[in-house]
Amino acid sequence: ETGVTQTPRHLVMGMTNKKSLKCEQHLGHNAMYWYKQSAKKPLELMFVYSLEERVENNSVPSRFSPECPNSSHLFLHLHTLQPEDSALYLCASSQGLTGANVLTFGAGSRLTVL
Amino acid sequence: GENVEQHPSTLSVQEGDSAVIKCTYSDSASNYFPWYKQELGKGPQLIIDIRSNVGEKKDQRIAVTLNKTAKHFSLHITETQPEDSAVYFCAARWTQGGSEKLVFGKGTKLTVNP
Repeated sequence: ETGVTQTPRHLVMGMTNKKSLKCEQHLGHNAMYWYKQSAKKPLELMFVYSLEERVENNSVPSRFSPECPNSSHLFLHLHTLQPEDSALYLCASSQGLTGANVLTFGAGSRLTVL
Repeated sequence: GENVEQHPSTLSVQEGDSAVIKCTYSDSASNYFPWYKQELGKGPQLIIDIRSNVGEKKDQRIAVTLNKTAKHFSLHITETQPEDSAVYFCAARWTQGGSEKLVFGKGTKLTVNP
C-alpha cells in the first residue's frame, strides 16, 4: 500500500453527469496534487494544495473543481466533462512543496467520459 | 518553460541484458532529476534521483548519470528482470516565479522478456 488511496478506481460517466474523485493520504504530508495522465503525454499537473490552500491551478477548465477539506483529503469534482477528459487521474502527496520532495502517488482513478 | 524529452518511448530487452533510457531538459537552471517507475495498475513510484552537483548515482542494479553541460540524464538498469517491466518517467525540477514544479517526460515502456 502506497499510503495514498484513490476512489473509485474506475468511473464511467456521461457528459451531463456530476461525479467526484476522492483521494486520501495517510502519510502526514502537507501538500497534495492532482495530475492527469493521458496516453503518450507527460504527466500534467492540474492542482496543488498546501495546508488545504490551493497554491496552483494550471489553467484547468472550470468543469474540474478541486476541494481540499483537510490536509489528508482531496477531491476532484467533475461536471459536464468532454470525451477528451477521459484519462487516468492521479493524486499525489508530498512533505513540503519544493520540487525535490518525493511525490507519493495513488493508483489513480481511470475516468471514461462517454 | 522547462521541456523534458524522453527516449525511447518503448524498449524491449531480454532478461539479463541492460536497459538505458535517456532524457534531455531545456532549462540549465534545473537542478534535481528524479526517475519514477509505474507498474501496471499502480501509480508512479520514485526509484532513484540525482542532484546537479553529482554526476552519477547508483542503487544496486539501477544507476543514473547526469551531464549538465549537455543537459541530459540517463537511467541505466543492469541485469534486467521481468519485474523491471513497467513505464519509467524522468522529470526535472523547474523554478518559476518562486515556485518549484516537476516537469515530466512522456515515459518509456520497458518490457523485459524472459
